[in-house]
Amino acid sequence: GAGVSQSPSNKVTEKGKDVELRCDPISGHTALYWYRQSLGQGLEFLIYFQGNSAPDKSGLPSDRFSAERTGGSVSTLTIQRTQQEDSAVYLCASSLGSGMNTEAFFGQGTRLTVV
Amino acid sequence: GQSLEQPSEVTAVEGAIVQINCTYQTSGFYGLSWYQQHDGGAPTFLSYNGLDGLEETGRFSSFLSRSDSYGYLLLQEIQMKDSASYFCAISGNTPLVFGKGTRLSVIA
Repeated sequence: GAGVSQSPSNKVTEKGKDVELRCDPISGHTALYWYRQSLGQGLEFLIYFQGNSAPDKSGLPSDRFSAERTGGSVSTLTIQRTQQEDSAVYLCASSLGSGMNTEAFFGQGTRLTVV
Repeated sequence: GQSLEQPSEVTAVEGAIVQINCTYQTSGFYGLSWYQQHDGGAPTFLSYNGLDGLEETGRFSSFLSRSDSYGYLLLQEIQMKDSASYFCAISGNTPLVFGKGTRLSVIA
C-alpha cells in the first residue's frame, strides 16, 4: 500500500476485554515495529519483527501482550484482559530493513481507551 | 540495555537557531536517527547519522559523535510550523529505540 495502515483508528473497550490491533506495513518492508505512546509521552518500544520473526520481545509490558506477523506482512498486537493503564496510542512502523540507515514509516496509530 | 536522554522542553523565538541534544547508551550501535512528531500526528523521519560528523538537510542538520555517545539536531531559522516534538532514536542490537522526546515551542 501507499503507507502504513492501522486499524481500528480508535477503540474503546471495557476493562477485562481482549483487543486486537492491526498493522498493514508498506509492501516490501521486512521490518515492522510496535510502540506505545501515552499522552504527551515518548515512544515506548514494544516489539519488532524481521520478517515473521520477533528477535526482541523484551519491550512487551506483561504477558497480557502478544504480537504476531504472518506472511511477512500484516501484524496483530493482542492485549488480553485489558487494564486502564493500557490506554494509549499504539503506533506501528515499517522499514525496508532493520539495519543501518533505515527510515521507518509510521501509521497514524490506534487510540485505545479502556473504560 | 539501551537508553537515551534528551531535554524534555525547549522554547525559542521564531527565526532563532535551536540545538536539541541527545546522549545514549547502547550496545551494537549502528546509528542515530531523528524524528519529528506534530501534535496528533505520526512521527516522521528527519535524518540519520551512521558516521561521525554533520549531516545537513535544508534548515535541519544532525551531528553524531560515536566516541562521546552524543548527537544533536540543529534547526536553523525556526518557524512556527516547527513547533513539534523531536525524538532521537538509536539503532543497535534492538533497532529504533526512541528517547522520550523534546517538545519545541516556537514563539513569535
